[in-house]
Amino acid sequence: QVQLQESGPGLVKPSHTLSLTCSVSGDSITSTGYYWTWIRQLPGKGLEWIGYMSYSGSAFYSPSLKSRASISWDTAKNHFSLKLTSMTAADTAVYFCARVQSASGYYALDVWGQGTQVTVSS
Amino acid sequence: DIQMTQSPSSLSASVGDRISITCRSSQSISSYLNWYQQKPGKAPSLLISGASTLQSGVPLRFSGSGSGTDFTLTISSVQPEDFATYYCQQSYGPPITFGGGTKVEIK
Repeated sequence: QVQLQESGPGLVKPSHTLSLTCSVSGDSITSTGYYWTWIRQLPGKGLEWIGYMSYSGSAFYSPSLKSRASISWDTAKNHFSLKLTSMTAADTAVYFCARVQSASGYYALDVWGQGTQVTVSS
Repeated sequence: DIQMTQSPSSLSASVGDRISITCRSSQSISSYLNWYQQKPGKAPSLLISGASTLQSGVPLRFSGSGSGTDFTLTISSVQPEDFATYYCQQSYGPPITFGGGTKVEIK
């Protein structure tokens, strides 16, 4: 059974950089046919895609966050990470990591982490 | 970016009702449309991919239809555990975008 678990600070100061890690168990992040993604949910709002990393290590980002977001991975530890720079209060959200089915072409997010609350405040 | 518009934003239903949620895209996305269910305090859960393919373990009362720009999620007989918020998501082209959500509440 594939499981994902986010970890990172729950509180980030304005202008600082958020660093989150998603630990994956039950699957390899280099498995062909899957991408690995970060999604966030602003308070009381819908879902916003941040970006994803393919099984070959290529990363793709939302245009609205591309200048501040960076996704990387550590294949030895089987985890992938998100860095989001210049954090502001508008970035306060629940951050989710998820697995993306890319083989079908439909890019559905089939396994999700439980989410981690990140608050930006001094 | 492809904009996804869901309607209604909320609806009230009784157990046993048949309900439908609509998702419309700002341009044609073929069948690159997925549906999710989210309960309070939980991560979303994938229900349907490719507009109509039910995921393993999802009850048969859920169904999806549509292609192009107009899509529908139907619950044939709403059960107590179905009261949640539902999101559509397009994957036709990056960026991935989601609809604003439809909250299904108990009448």
